[in-house]
Amino acid sequence: DVKVTQSSRYLVKRTGEKVFLECVQDMDHENMFWYRQDPGLGLRLIYFSYDVKMKEKGDIPEGYSVSREKKERFSLILESASTNQTSMYLCASSGSGSAGFGTGELFFGEGSRLTVL
Amino acid sequence: KNQVEQSPQSLIILEGKNCTLQCNYTVSPFSNLRWYKQDTGRGPVSLTIMTFSENTKSNGRYTATLDADTKQSSLHITASQLSDSASYICVVRGAGSYQLTFGKGTKLSVIP
Repeated sequence: DVKVTQSSRYLVKRTGEKVFLECVQDMDHENMFWYRQDPGLGLRLIYFSYDVKMKEKGDIPEGYSVSREKKERFSLILESASTNQTSMYLCASSGSGSAGFGTGELFFGEGSRLTVL
Repeated sequence: KNQVEQSPQSLIILEGKNCTLQCNYTVSPFSNLRWYKQDTGRGPVSLTIMTFSENTKSNGRYTATLDADTKQSSLHITASQLSDSASYICVVRGAGSYQLTFGKGTKLSVIP
């Protein structure tokens, strides 16, 4: 069964702390994504990566960075957490297929709910 | 600007009843449209994909329709079950693009 695994389901951090959210996929997908999901706003793209060591900004990259050193692993980093980063973070992956991003089907992890106090 | 609007925002129905969720989009040019189901506290899972040439597609009790001319899609759920309680998210992909535009979802509650 295909799987996207996020390292932590629930985290509580303090303002100013550095936060790492890890995501691993076992489908050999080229593309990986980080979204945040907030009530009333839906899913918003933070960053995505289409290859190892490659990254592209999404719609809301401010306050975040990412790392992709291996194909299967995509990390989201909050350098200095703030209360407005309290949210559900969802990692996803997708295959490329013949059109670069395949059919666009995203395979999501279970999510990491981050609370910043 | 590409947009995806879903209605209603939330819906409560009795177990066994049918319901229809709506998705209107402005994404152009269009590649495909997916419906995802997201159970509470879980990641979304794809239910079905609609491409330009498809009008109707079924996945068990779920039937999706697409009218590419009016840029509308619907998801019809037949004989609802308690396990259908979830958020349903419409996602549209533009042609020749990696860009996905997400709707904000419809929260469905099925009650006994």
